[in-house]
Amino acid sequence: SAVISQKPSRDICQRGTSLTIQCQVDSQVTMMFWYRQQPGQSLTLIATANQGSEATYESGFVIDKFPISRPNLTFSTLTVSNMSPEDSSIYLCSVEDPGGTGKYEQYFGPGTRLTVT
Amino acid sequence: KQEVTQIPAALSVPEGENLVLNCSFTDSAIYNLQWFRQDPGKGLTSLLLIQSSQREQTSGRLNASLDKSSGRSTLYIAASQPGDSATYLCAVLGGGADGLTFGKGTHLIIQP
Repeated sequence: SAVISQKPSRDICQRGTSLTIQCQVDSQVTMMFWYRQQPGQSLTLIATANQGSEATYESGFVIDKFPISRPNLTFSTLTVSNMSPEDSSIYLCSVEDPGGTGKYEQYFGPGTRLTVT
Repeated sequence: KQEVTQIPAALSVPEGENLVLNCSFTDSAIYNLQWFRQDPGKGLTSLLLIQSSQREQTSGRLNASLDKSSGRSTLYIAASQPGDSATYLCAVLGGGADGLTFGKGTHLIIQP
């Protein structure tokens, strides 16, 4: 398994501003992911973040709105830019196969609860 | 595009009962299937991982099965307890998507 932390745990932001969410894992991992969970909904993948390459975004998500950094194998950031109330969600990072078992099991951070007013 | 469906959406049962949660997926070309638990306002806890070559996995009172060809999985919870109350999410890896594709979850309440 892996220990994953996220900062901040929650925030209330004004529309038009940006928030950067940090994800730290206690072991080196190749694959990291960012998901969004809108109120009352399940999780939707935003993007895949691999170290040393550009993030890959899912349909409906664009880099200008959700820029991602992956400077090393234990850390990633997601920025939510020019926020609107529709961006109010829980944002979660996950890592895949931290032990290198080949099973591709994913582990999740505690999430960042974002409210945009 | 992979789609995951979970039935029922909600379930309330008395403590001590055995229960089954269902998950189906549209594209059988998966690497694995994971069951998660999510408590209110919290992140996800991985319960069980079934690889595509496996038929079932067990952990304590939990047993998950996988029928890849028919696109179905079940999570069996034995002797349910109030502490089992949570939302249970099924997610698959593969089927043409990067990352996991999630179902909408089953909201489970165990009555004391």
